[in-house]
Amino acid sequence: EAQVTQNPRYLITVTGKKLTVTCSQNMNHEYMSWYRQDPGLGLRQIYYSMNVEVTDKGDVPEGYKVSRKEKRNFPLILESPSPNQTSLYFCASSLKVRGGDRAPLLYGYTFGSGTRLTVV
Amino acid sequence: GDSVTQMEGPVTLSEEAFLTINCTYTATGYPSLFWYVQYPGEGLQLLLKATKADDKGSNKGFEATYRKETTSFHLEKGSVQVSDSAVYFCALSDGTGGGNKLTFGTGTQLKVEL
Repeated sequence: EAQVTQNPRYLITVTGKKLTVTCSQNMNHEYMSWYRQDPGLGLRQIYYSMNVEVTDKGDVPEGYKVSRKEKRNFPLILESPSPNQTSLYFCASSLKVRGGDRAPLLYGYTFGSGTRLTVV
Repeated sequence: GDSVTQMEGPVTLSEEAFLTINCTYTATGYPSLFWYVQYPGEGLQLLLKATKADDKGSNKGFEATYRKETTSFHLEKGSVQVSDSAVYFCALSDGTGGGNKLTFGTGTQLKVEL
């Protein structure tokens, strides 16, 4: 089954304790992205990756790191979590848009089931 | 920059009622437009899409028409069911952010009651 798998689903941690949220996809997608979802703000992009070893900042990258050592995995790292990073996090993947051809995006993103993070 | 504005929820309807969720956008160029649906406890799923002006996207009884003159992409369904209860997100892509970036609205929660 084609899917994006995130772990853990729920996480409660304390301020300053480093954590990693894993994301893995089995569709050979080049493009992967992390979003956070907050009430009244919708989904905001944190980081994205166009391919292995290629990552870039989204709209709200502060306090986060990512890596893309393998095509299937795109972990989100919080080096020193703070309470304002309490949120619902989603990983997503898709085929990569090339040049002016947006056709791959029209299949939409495949989203993971989310990770609800609470930082106390 | 790009933005998507959706009507605030929650929207509460009786089963078989008509649904409209308003969505307007601001973007450069000619964006592609999407509606995603999020059922409780799940990730987002693509519901429908439209890539150019006057295109109509449709799926599972839902429809939305790309209106360039009013920069709108309102979601409609003629007869909602309890199973349609979910959060609905309008989104656009204008090819920036590496080409794949989606900009989302804030989401509209729909509750359908018997």
